[in-house]
Amino acid sequence: KNEVEQSPQNLTAQEGEFITINCSYSVGISALHWLQQHPGGGIVSLFMLSSGKKKHGRLIATINIQEKHSSLHITASHPRDSAVYICAVRSLSGSARQLTFGSGTQLTVLP
Amino acid sequence: DGGITQSPKYLFRKEGQNVTLSCEQNLNHDAMYWYRQDPGQGLRLIYYSQIVNDFQKGDIAEGYSVSREKKESFPLTVTSAQKNPTAFYLCASSPGQGNEQFFGPGTRLTVL
Repeated sequence: KNEVEQSPQNLTAQEGEFITINCSYSVGISALHWLQQHPGGGIVSLFMLSSGKKKHGRLIATINIQEKHSSLHITASHPRDSAVYICAVRSLSGSARQLTFGSGTQLTVLP
Repeated sequence: DGGITQSPKYLFRKEGQNVTLSCEQNLNHDAMYWYRQDPGQGLRLIYYSQIVNDFQKGDIAEGYSVSREKKESFPLTVTSAQKNPTAFYLCASSPGQGNEQFFGPGTRLTVL
């Protein structure tokens, strides 16, 4: 079983829809990251969080440490949100340098 | 502008040849990382460096080598010992361990 599981793997939505991407992990963590990868391949960091909730524009990230679960929400989705969204966790055990990545959620927003 | 550059964006090599991927950052970050991305899989750590003249192996270091002679630069060499080198390679940097990582645009390597 992977340490970081994302769901769904693929998601297609209509413009304007509310979108939720989920991330579950199996180890104790010090931080969780949400990343966005555009078709060209470059990755942008969206959020780094260790508790509660963060909001940036139309993006909201939440984390429940007890349940080992995080969600990324996109409100009023737009075709430019189409990308791969990646969850990554920094484990409490082992070396602090290492992030463990989920395999990503491919989001397509149709106009 | 501050950022991370990787070159080239696309690279083609014949099997058995070594190839070096460039990664440069002007963010004054101490830590730098190399990841490999394969379809349907999460990023996997190849090598990382916390400071100049120091680097450690990641999870999949076999067949790869790195150097960190300057703070700004962390080149990755894919050697002929790497059994399946065709992949997308991403470089990242951070101010230090445990901090947010900033990613470069990536290099897609195809070995023919």
